[in-house]
Amino acid sequence: EVQLIESGGGLVKPGGSLRLSCVSSGFSLSASPMNWVRQAPGKGLEWVSFINVASSFTKYVGSVMGRFTASRDNARNSLYLQMNSLRVEDTAVYYCVTAIPIGPGYHYMHVWGKGTTVTVSS
Amino acid sequence: EVVMTQSPATLSVSPGEGATLSCRASQSIGTNFAWFQHRPGQAPRLLIYDASTRATGIPPRFSGGGSGTEFTLTISNLQSEDFAVYFCEQYNDWPLTFGGGTKVEIK
Repeated sequence: EVQLIESGGGLVKPGGSLRLSCVSSGFSLSASPMNWVRQAPGKGLEWVSFINVASSFTKYVGSVMGRFTASRDNARNSLYLQMNSLRVEDTAVYYCVTAIPIGPGYHYMHVWGKGTTVTVSS
Repeated sequence: EVVMTQSPATLSVSPGEGATLSCRASQSIGTNFAWFQHRPGQAPRLLIYDASTRATGIPPRFSGGGSGTEFTLTISNLQSEDFAVYFCEQYNDWPLTFGGGTKVEIK
């Protein structure tokens, strides 16, 4: 069965840091561009970041730019999201999602994990 | 950014009936558009990409249409497992953006 499994969520104080991880089961994550997407309580989905296979191209939503960093270790079949200077509004379930390229600069999201919960509160 | 607006927020449908969900983009996105299903406690699932192409394993009772700024997801003969939240997404421009979701509930 094809799965993505996120981990690393938890409770952290404002200004703190967390590192989320994502690993795959049933396929090689290392061959796929990847996204992070989050959903705050009672809110809709928000795309957070994208990273290509070679880690040579990354994109972030404006609200996390300069605070979050996506990275990957293809040898370990793993994806990461380093989150620094966390704010209350970063509280959300964070999902890792594979990306299927369909042309230069375009991709659609495909396989999702079940998410890991990040709570930022004092 | 491209704002995606879904309607209705909630749709009450009886099993066996059909349902049509809508999503509007604030600017033209061609067919760079997808629909996802999210059941409680499960990972979201890709249903439709490129506006009208069913993902692998998705039954034909799910069909997507539209282009530019107006898109629809039609579910025919609703089954018990279809009662869920559905959300749309555009991948034409950064930042990638999602609609607010439509909850399809049992009538």
